[in-house]
This record gives sequence, C-alpha cells and structure tokens, in this order.
Amino acid sequence: SYELTQPPSVSVSPGQTARITCSGDALPKQYAYWYQQKPGQAPVLVIYKDSERPSGIPERFSGSSSGTTVTLTISGVQAEDEADYYCQSADSSGTYPDVVFGGGTKLTVL
Amino acid sequence: EVQLVESGGGLVQPGGSLRLSCAASGFTFSDHYMDWVRQAPGKGLEWVGRTRNKANSYTTEYAASVKGRFTISRDDSKNSLYLQMNSLKTEDTAVYYCARGEYYSLEYYFDYWGQGTLVTVSS
Repeated sequence: SYELTQPPSVSVSPGQTARITCSGDALPKQYAYWYQQKPGQAPVLVIYKDSERPSGIPERFSGSSSGTTVTLTISGVQAEDEADYYCQSADSSGTYPDVVFGGGTKLTVL
Repeated sequence: EVQLVESGGGLVQPGGSLRLSCAASGFTFSDHYMDWVRQAPGKGLEWVGRTRNKANSYTTEYAASVKGRFTISRDDSKNSLYLQMNSLKTEDTAVYYCARGEYYSLEYYFDYWGQGTLVTVSS
C-alpha cells in the first residue's frame, strides 16, 4: 500500500490559522479523513471525505484537497485544539480497501 | 449515543496470548464493520484488522504484521467485538482501540472509537 506524509509538527499562536498537510499519490482518487487525538484520549473524526465535517465538530475545522495533497485548516486556533492530527485514506488497489494512516502532526498552540 | 468500551488489556510475556473485548452500544452493531487499530507508545496509529458484518459473511482482514497470530471475531447477540492475540511479541505493545468502520464505494474510515486498552508484552 502507499504512504501518507505529514509534517511532524506545526506551531501557531492562538487566534491564528493552522494548516496541516497530508500528501499521497492516491489522494486524487481516494478521499482523506482527519482525526484529532488529544493526550491520553482516543482519536476523534474531525473531517471526512476531504472536506465534510461531522456533527459536533466546530466550524473552525475545514478540509480541502488539491492534487496529491489534502489540507486540514483550523481557523482561529484555540488552546484546546492542541493535539496530534492524523490523516487517513484507503488503498483500494487490492482486493479490499487497505487502511493507510499518515504519521501524524503535533499541533502546538504557542 | 454510540459507545465502544474495550477491556482485557494487561501485561503478558513474549509468546503469550491475550483476548481483548469491545462492548458496543448506541447503534445496530450487526449492521457495521468493526476494526481494531493500535498505537505503540509515542507512535502513530496502525490498523490491525477488521471484521465485516453479517451481510458480508463476517469476513476478516488483517495487517501483515499480525496475520496468522491475531484473530478478530464478533458476537452480534452480545454486541461485542473480540481480538484474540497469540504468539505476542514485544513490538505488539500498544494501546488497542476498537473502532466502527464505515465502508462505501471503496472508501473506508472510522467514525467512532473506543477509549482503548493497553497491552504490554514484556518479560
């Protein structure tokens, strides 16, 4: 299966905009999904199908896609957004969709 | 409200076995694919395997790293998911999460996760 590449870390001041990228060769053909994981907690889905937001997720979370790169954007970052963020996609080149995770990005709110 | 609650983690010696359970509530368990995802200490997420629903014959798939050692099963009458882990290795040390899978049009993702249970493989 293929790989998804994320920057290890992103830092932003409160109120600023954070952008976390995820790159992979199959992303033009497959959707990307984003999970937020706070320390000691389970992952939470924050974006699905590149840009859809599940109910209960704040509007400041958005997603976009361009070619082989997808981007999670957090507008007006708050201290509570400090977490690890993982992108995920599916590799459907085989007989069943294989799950692929990016390595994760630690978002630090300065 | 969807809830997934894992149990069964603990300390086990290399070569040993352990069985994890995941109790589901708040949704029609039998309709859904269910997965196990793990996270080694300080590391990222790694998919372990899945079981499909009854409509898809409860078929299972596994990551190469666990194939032949781990077995996923489910009991829809008890709304429960299981992970039988045999021949455990130190590199299997991780928090194991139960997650509900959503599959459509060759896409796959996880919309709900449990809180996880820690498995430590050490002598």
